[in-house]
Amino acid sequence: DADVTQTPRNRITKTGKRIMLECSQTKGHDRMYWYRQDPGLGLRLIYYSFDVKDINKGEISDGYSVSRQAQAKFSLSLESAIPNQTALYFCATSDNSPTNTEAFFGQGTRLTVV
Amino acid sequence: GEDVEQSLFLSVREGDSSVINCTYTDSSSTYLYWYKQEPGAGLQLLTYIFSNMDMKQDQRLTVLLNKKDKHLSLRIADTQTGDSAIYFCAESNDYKLSFGAGTTVTVRA
Repeated sequence: DADVTQTPRNRITKTGKRIMLECSQTKGHDRMYWYRQDPGLGLRLIYYSFDVKDINKGEISDGYSVSRQAQAKFSLSLESAIPNQTALYFCATSDNSPTNTEAFFGQGTRLTVV
Repeated sequence: GEDVEQSLFLSVREGDSSVINCTYTDSSSTYLYWYKQEPGAGLQLLTYIFSNMDMKQDQRLTVLLNKKDKHLSLRIADTQTGDSAIYFCAESNDYKLSFGAGTTVTVRA
């Protein structure tokens, strides 16, 4: 079983719909992240959480929200999806090392907004 | 991310060496990373280098770090078809990773 699991793996949704992407991990890590990947832009950080009660905006948080329901679960929501949110979304985790930020990634969720 | 830059494409003949270059901006980054993304998959850590090192070798992989110029490179010796992937350079900044745009490496026969 994967250490970081994302559901769904693929999703097509209509403009204006609310959608939630889920992430769960068995690594026991406190830190969790949501990134989106677009061709030529690499991975950009949407939101991150260092603990269950901690939520922080990344560089592109507009149009997104997150919920850290438990140490192992971190979900990303698009309240009203728009076509330019079509992308590949990755959840990642890392441990609490103060210097080594090695991240472990899920397989990704391909989201298409039509 | 705009703080980490790398070229977008590299084509290499099977058996040759590949060199992927990266420049970063945060001189306080303690670790610098190379991640590999194969088609349809997430990113996996390939190797990393601690900022007080100049070079790290791991089998076919050699990482060179020039802190003065904030330049990082990844050399893959004897490139194989299985090395075809997107390679991301990343720096650690405030416990978060900043990624480059990724270099797509294509290995041709």
